[in-house]
Amino acid sequence: EAGVVQSPRYKIIEKKQPVAFWCNPISGHNTLYWYLQNLGQGPELLIRYENEEAVDDSQLPKDRFSAERLKGVDSTLKIQPAELGDSAVYLCASSPRGAYNEQFFGPGTRLTVL
Amino acid sequence: AQSVTQPDIHITVSEGASLELRCNYSYGATPYLFWYVQSPGQGLQLLLKYFSGDTLVQGIKGFEAEFKRSQSSFNLRKPSVHWSDAAEYFCAVAPNRDDKIIFGKGTRLHILP
Repeated sequence: EAGVVQSPRYKIIEKKQPVAFWCNPISGHNTLYWYLQNLGQGPELLIRYENEEAVDDSQLPKDRFSAERLKGVDSTLKIQPAELGDSAVYLCASSPRGAYNEQFFGPGTRLTVL
Repeated sequence: AQSVTQPDIHITVSEGASLELRCNYSYGATPYLFWYVQSPGQGLQLLLKYFSGDTLVQGIKGFEAEFKRSQSSFNLRKPSVHWSDAAEYFCAVAPNRDDKIIFGKGTRLHILP
């Protein structure tokens, strides 16, 4: 069984540029999560999807961050414009419906903003 | 609000030695408790979890953790570490099964040959 797939694995951009991250969850997993992991910190939830509906986006900085999961499968997280402080690892995770405590994580995208 | 504390940022042990990583949480009731491991360049992998029942929980890769309500602790242990155990370990808590998981800041484990 394939795990959670994320791309790209690494991204380097200049500040004020846009950037997008892609995630494909484990097949059949209805719930998808995006986490932010700063250096030396644990992951922090940005947004949680149940199928195509964002059910918890309270921690997503909506002035510059957006996310979508149009068909309830793969998802894209976008930052526009990126700031220096956005340099971090962006993790995607998925879980079966209702099993919020059975999360499987992807390898993450490491973003560096110059 | 619930929180989780991992007091040790770095831990160094010799290969073959025993290991204990500390974790304390702040929450009134018994929360859902987890330990995850993150190897360099990898995502997080669940080692074990505790919801209820036996307070000594067995996980993958030879790890175990013990829930102690009186100390609000959920320490991770392994009797003999291997060089491949070098990684970052995260303790996490959720108030209930429907709530989001809150992660600690992690403990980086270094293994001496």
